[in-house]
Formats: sequence, structure tokens, C-alpha cells
Amino acid sequence: DIQMTQSPSSLSASVGDRVTITCRASQYISNHLNWYQQKPGKAPKLLIYAASSLQSGVPSRFSGSGSATDFALTISSLQPEDFATYYCQQSYSTPRTFGQGTKVELK
Amino acid sequence: EVQLVESGGGVVRPGGSLRLSCAASGFTFDDYGMNWVRQAPGKGLEWVSGINWNGGSTGYADSVKGRFTISRDNAKNSLYLQMNSLRAEDTALYYCAREGWVVPASKYFYYMDVWGKGTTVTVSS
Repeated sequence: DIQMTQSPSSLSASVGDRVTITCRASQYISNHLNWYQQKPGKAPKLLIYAASSLQSGVPSRFSGSGSATDFALTISSLQPEDFATYYCQQSYSTPRTFGQGTKVELK
Repeated sequence: EVQLVESGGGVVRPGGSLRLSCAASGFTFDDYGMNWVRQAPGKGLEWVSGINWNGGSTGYADSVKGRFTISRDNAKNSLYLQMNSLRAEDTALYYCAREGWVVPASKYFYYMDVWGKGTTVTVSS
């Protein structure tokens, strides 16, 4: 199975900060990598698919990059509604696997 | 409106069984693969199982293989998860998620683009 490792597990940031979360796959996954945002008590929401494609309706301050085994999610200017937990997920093979999550908190 | 609604969760004793359902609406159900994803209290997301558009291909996490069975009824726009031999570690919120796809340059990319609100399963004596 492909293991997904995110870093950091949590971070503190201020409104307006640029934030980057990284995700590493245990083996090659090309660009079959998705990013989700989850707020407390809510279902996950798809932000980025195929490593860098922005899901419809998602603000352009979110961007994704990377390929092969190393990926990143960047929020260019953190907004109050962005404080949440973020997960990467590989869709290269079954079983699908998620990273352990990165919680973005207010500094 | 595109919607997924899970049901069937509850409290069950270790070793017991439950059948979860997911009712889909607002889209052509048999155009999509479907997944079950769970989240234990205070923990991250764990993919549980997936099924392709016609039920001909299924997959399971190692943690549930041999105990859980995924199925679908396209005539009823419904997805199911039969859970047997339940354990305390199966306690979680279970989400149903649609597997969307795009095919740029003849290469398929899959993602979970529609999620239900989840149904809670508690395994406890």
C-alpha cells in the first residue's frame, strides 16, 4: 500500500500569511494527488485534484504543485475561513490512502 | 442539487453487524464509482472501500478486508456497506463519497468530489 506523509502535523499562522503544507508518497504516484479541507463537524471538501487543478468554486489563493512523490498545497494569503484541517490523498492505486492531516490554527 | 445521504449507523456490540446505505440524487449515479471513507473520533480520514460504476470492481482497506462488503444498486441510486464482525476500532463516522474523474490527454484522474454528511457507527459492549 502507498503511505502518504504530511508535514507539518499542525501549524499556527496569521491572517494574510502564506502557508505551505507538504505531502510525500512512499512510492511514485505521478500526479494522482488530491487535497481536501475539513472543518470541525463537516464533511471534507475537495480543493485540488490531479496535484494542481483547482476544483470549481475554490478560491484561487489555493494552489497545488508537485509530481512523482513530493507535493505541496499552498495558501497564498490565509483567510479566516481557511483555518481547518487539510488532507492529501493518492488516487494512483487501490487502496486509496490519505495523509494524516495538517491542522492550520490561528496564531 | 447533487446530494449523498447516509443512513444505517447505530450502536452495535463487538462481533455484530450493520448495513450502511447511501442514497444519491441530483446526478447520474451509474456514471460514477463510489467510496466509503471513515473517521474515528478525533482522528484523520481513512478510506474503507470503493466500487466502480457497475459493481464489477471493488476494493477494501486491509483493516476491513474479509469483514466488510461494498455493493450498489444503480436502479435505486444507492450504495451499501455490509459490515460484519465489527470491532471497537470500527467506531467512526462513515462518509459516502462520489468518485469524480477527468480524462485530460487520455489519462484518468480520480478524486472524491461529493460527500455526504456521514452516519455514526459505535461498536461497544
